[in-house]
Amino acid sequence: AQSVTQLGSHVSVSEGALVLLRCNYSSSVPPYLFWYVQYPNQGLQLLLKYTSAATLVKGINGFEAEFKKSETSFHLTKPSAHMSDAAEYFCAVSERNTGFQKLVFGTGTRLLVSP
Amino acid sequence: NAGVTQTPKFQVLKTGQSMTLQCAQDMNHEYMSWYRQDPGMGLRLIHYSVGAGITDQGEVPNGYNVSRSTTEDFPLRLLSAAPSQTSVYFCASTPGAGGNSPLHFGNGTRLTVT
Repeated sequence: AQSVTQLGSHVSVSEGALVLLRCNYSSSVPPYLFWYVQYPNQGLQLLLKYTSAATLVKGINGFEAEFKKSETSFHLTKPSAHMSDAAEYFCAVSERNTGFQKLVFGTGTRLLVSP
Repeated sequence: NAGVTQTPKFQVLKTGQSMTLQCAQDMNHEYMSWYRQDPGMGLRLIHYSVGAGITDQGEVPNGYNVSRSTTEDFPLRLLSAAPSQTSVYFCASTPGAGGNSPLHFGNGTRLTVT
């Protein structure tokens, strides 16, 4: 069965620093991959998704993620953190030729941004 | 642009009580689902629906019932609340059936069972 691992339940950065949130998946074939963001007291919002086109995917708010098949990774990055980026981030994976109900979420990484 | 609307935002129940969490979407999405979010466990699927009149169980269905009489509404019923059901509940909808279709989430219902 597919699974997804997010390393680090909390990541702290200073405003202006690089943001790197790690996500590794287990799947025999390249899956669909997603990053969602959850701001306090809100639902999850889609940041970006990889479905099979370019391996470097650009999302909203300056975030991007690179699909690396050899490393089974889909790490999320942003060159310069803003205070408004403080939120919880979820990586999710879905095998190809399956339905929306088969989406598997990671346990989440909370991003803390200090002035 | 209402999207997915969940009510109530907060609820406290006593053990054994029943209640219904409401979910409505105005995007004409066929596919809807309910998740629960617990600390350190991500989101887990409770029930889902692929259209009006069609529902199925997810990963953690015990203690919950759903129905889908219209495309817009997908209520979640707790039959006899237990402390283990203390959680944050999210309803989501998506326009496509495939695994590449992104989910649109409501803002959640925070439920406490005492």
